Amino acid sequence: ILNVEQSPQSLHVQEGDSTNFTCSFPSSNFYALHWYRWETAKSPEALFVMTLNGDEKKKGRISATLNTKEGYSYLYIKGSQPEDSATYLCAFITGTYKYIFGTGTRLKVLA
Amino acid sequence: NAGVTQTPKFQVLKTGQSMTLQCAQDMNHNSMYWYRQDPGMGLRLIYYSASEGTTDKGEVPNGYNVSRLNKREFSLRLESAAPSQTSVYFCASSPTGGHYGYTFGSGTRLTVV
Repeated sequence: ILNVEQSPQSLHVQEGDSTNFTCSFPSSNFYALHWYRWETAKSPEALFVMTLNGDEKKKGRISATLNTKEGYSYLYIKGSQPEDSATYLCAFITGTYKYIFGTGTRLKVLA
Repeated sequence: NAGVTQTPKFQVLKTGQSMTLQCAQDMNHNSMYWYRQDPGMGLRLIYYSASEGTTDKGEVPNGYNVSRLNKREFSLRLESAAPSQTSVYFCASSPTGGHYGYTFGSGTRLTVV
């Protein structure tokens, strides 16, 4: 059974702090890794699609890196704002229609 | 700018009742999916439809049926609801096999009493 783990499960940071969290996945049969942002009472929205070892993606203050050989991806948020409060979800793709979600990291940014 | 539309948003059922969750997308996507979200667990795939006319089981298909009515619509049916099916259900779509990410609907919160 393939397992995708995200850590920490939740964290609180102060406005202006930078933070990061981890998605760990099996290092074999890698096809792609996706990051989603999921606000409470809404639906997940795609942030990044990462396919190559060493990929780095950036969207505003949020960036992500990928290491497929060791099986992890980091998501970084620089200068956190209250509107960044959400659950950040990763999904490990091993092939067509083989999509495994992690349980997410719940971020709360305190003003 | 509709994307993926799910109905209803909330539903309470009695054990043994049946219902159909509706999903429609207006992005001309080929593939559509039904997931359930339970506390402490990642999103789990119930069924998917790779393209119009095809459906396949996901990780947790028992107790559910699906219909890909046309390219736009993909419905999920609970024939005889059980308390274990209390969950939040998400429909999603993608251009093909999900490699480029999903677009999700807003979810249906279902309670079976």
